[in-house]
Amino acid sequence: AQSVTQLGSHVSVSEGALVLLRCNYSSSVPPYLFWYVQYPNQGLQLLLKYTSAATLVKGINGFEAEFKKSETSFHLTKPSAHMSDAAEYFCAVSNTGGFKTIFGAGTRLFVKA
Amino acid sequence: DTEVTQTPKHLVMGMTNKKSLKCEQHMGHRAMYWYKQKAKKPPELMFVYSYEKLSINESVPSRFSPECPNSSLLNLHLHALQPEDSALYLCASSWGPRQPQHFGDGTRLSIL
Repeated sequence: AQSVTQLGSHVSVSEGALVLLRCNYSSSVPPYLFWYVQYPNQGLQLLLKYTSAATLVKGINGFEAEFKKSETSFHLTKPSAHMSDAAEYFCAVSNTGGFKTIFGAGTRLFVKA
Repeated sequence: DTEVTQTPKHLVMGMTNKKSLKCEQHMGHRAMYWYKQKAKKPPELMFVYSYEKLSINESVPSRFSPECPNSSLLNLHLHALQPEDSALYLCASSWGPRQPQHFGDGTRLSIL
């Protein structure tokens, strides 16, 4: 069975500071991993995906994530936070060969002026 | 802009009403999904259609009835819902299994 764990339900950073959102996965096969963002009163939007190509994945809005097999991690980073980055972020893993996507519990990012 | 369109955006209904949620996508995706999302929680998968056939039903109560009339449309028929069914209902689509999903902005459903 596959799963993801997001460490920290809330993360608060100052505007301009580094954003680091943590995600660890569990999978018996090479995983497909995703980060999604959800702004208030909206659906989820794909930030980036890992599908066994390059381990450093660049996404939209300046976000990137690094796949580390040895650490079973897929942490999301952004060098400089903007106020507009305040949202809920979900790490997710796709199950083997099927349509199910397993979402982490989510991390709420707060950005202080 | 959202490429998956959901209507209505808000719905308030009594427990004896019948209503339907609608979802439309024109990206040519062959998989479509219904999710239920409670406040401060991740989305929970309800149903998956692949090539217009029901592929997954996550043991959803029969008061929720999905329908996929064609490859672009997905409906969720609601009947005799309970207050605990109040939630954000999200539709999504993808090219296929293990592919990123495109989400609509959801229908916020309130059951009185």
